[in-house]
Amino acid sequence: AQKVTQAQTEISVVEKEDVTLDCVYETRDTTYYLFWYKQPPSGELVFLIRRNSFDEQNEISGRYSWNFQKSTSSFNFTITASQVVDSAVYFCALTTAYNNNDMRFGAGTRLTVKP
Amino acid sequence: DTAVSQTPKYLVTQMGNDKSIKCEQNLGHDTMYWYKQDSKKFLKIMFSYNNKELIINETVPNRFSPKSPDKAHLNLHINSLELGDSAVYFCASSQEGPRLAGELFFGPGTRLTVL
Repeated sequence: AQKVTQAQTEISVVEKEDVTLDCVYETRDTTYYLFWYKQPPSGELVFLIRRNSFDEQNEISGRYSWNFQKSTSSFNFTITASQVVDSAVYFCALTTAYNNNDMRFGAGTRLTVKP
Repeated sequence: DTAVSQTPKYLVTQMGNDKSIKCEQNLGHDTMYWYKQDSKKFLKIMFSYNNKELIINETVPNRFSPKSPDKAHLNLHINSLELGDSAVYFCASSQEGPRLAGELFFGPGTRLTVL
């Protein structure tokens, strides 16, 4: 069985603060893929990043960075110098090579960035 | 040139009615999905279709029936609507393959309200 846990239900920060969204996953498969999606107030779901289980290299894209650690089964997402436009619900998701048509989502973390 | 489109965007109906939501993707993807997002933002997979064949059928009531006339379309028909069916329904597509595990491309969602 595969499972994704996002323990932080809601986070509120003030603009320009850094914020980290936690994601912990469970799977018995050795080959798997992790994702982050953003859902802004407008409602659409936007893909942010995909990592596979063989690549633990951290990734940075502008103000966004991701820390993948297999030892702790975590795939955390950090936003540096947050902006009001970052306000959204962020979802972590998992799929496996064995069952790659079944993507499981975490419960989501609602991030509010206040001006 | 919308990648994944859904109609209608909003659907308000009475309990007991039958309704359909249509989905089309022009990405040439092999797999299409229906996800349900409840009022708490939790995203749950309902169905997955790969080349017109059902490959996942989560424990949804049999009042829900997916129909895929071809690879680019996956419609969702709901019979005898209930209050608890009120949610946002997202269609999505992805490229299929054991090593690809591509990200999901989501449609804009259909907000269903059952009165």
